[in-house]
Amino acid sequence: SQTIHQWPATLVQPVGSPLSLECTVEGTSNPNLYWYRQAAGRGLQLLFYSIGIDQISSEVPQNLSASRPQDRQFILSSKKLLLSDSGFYLCAWRPPGLSTGELFFGEGSRLTVL
Amino acid sequence: SQQGEEDPQALSIQEGENATMNCSYKTSINNLQWYRQNSGRGLVHLILIRSNEREKHSGRLRVTLDTSKKSSSLLITASRAADTASYFCATPTNTGGFKTIFGAGTRLFVKA
Repeated sequence: SQTIHQWPATLVQPVGSPLSLECTVEGTSNPNLYWYRQAAGRGLQLLFYSIGIDQISSEVPQNLSASRPQDRQFILSSKKLLLSDSGFYLCAWRPPGLSTGELFFGEGSRLTVL
Repeated sequence: SQQGEEDPQALSIQEGENATMNCSYKTSINNLQWYRQNSGRGLVHLILIRSNEREKHSGRLRVTLDTSKKSSSLLITASRAADTASYFCATPTNTGGFKTIFGAGTRLFVKA
């Protein structure tokens, strides 16, 4: 069966520090991968999605970036965090070929920027 | 802007009552999905309804879709305290089909 792992679960970082959130999917090949951000009590904002290695689309201009160095690994990064980067970050995957099917989410990473 | 918008934003009911949440969307869709999120956790897919379907059931869940009004509703019957969570509607976009846009969600609180 397929599983998705996301870490770290919680992170407290000072303004201006770098960020790296990691997500891996097991039990499938060539998944579509997604990064969402959720502000407190709000809906999900799509940040990045990827349909393959080195194929990443950005939805929102910001100081965040995403990379997919391996088929089932998706990394969210920042060189210098802003206060507004605080939030709950969710990684998700979808099987290849099911471009409109359901998404499977990780447990999320809560980032607090101080 | 969000593709889907849920209504109400928050809902508080007694255990045993039914809970109805509504969702409106803006563009044409292939399907509409409902997800649940417990506090501080990831989202879990509940049910998917295709654009050519009008109603779908899964256990205590009933989803309707009205494509002419671009709206959907999620009904949870005989609610339980364990149903307390946020509920989101989501629509995959037709442009490339790889993006799924979520609404702001309805926060449901079921009192025991």
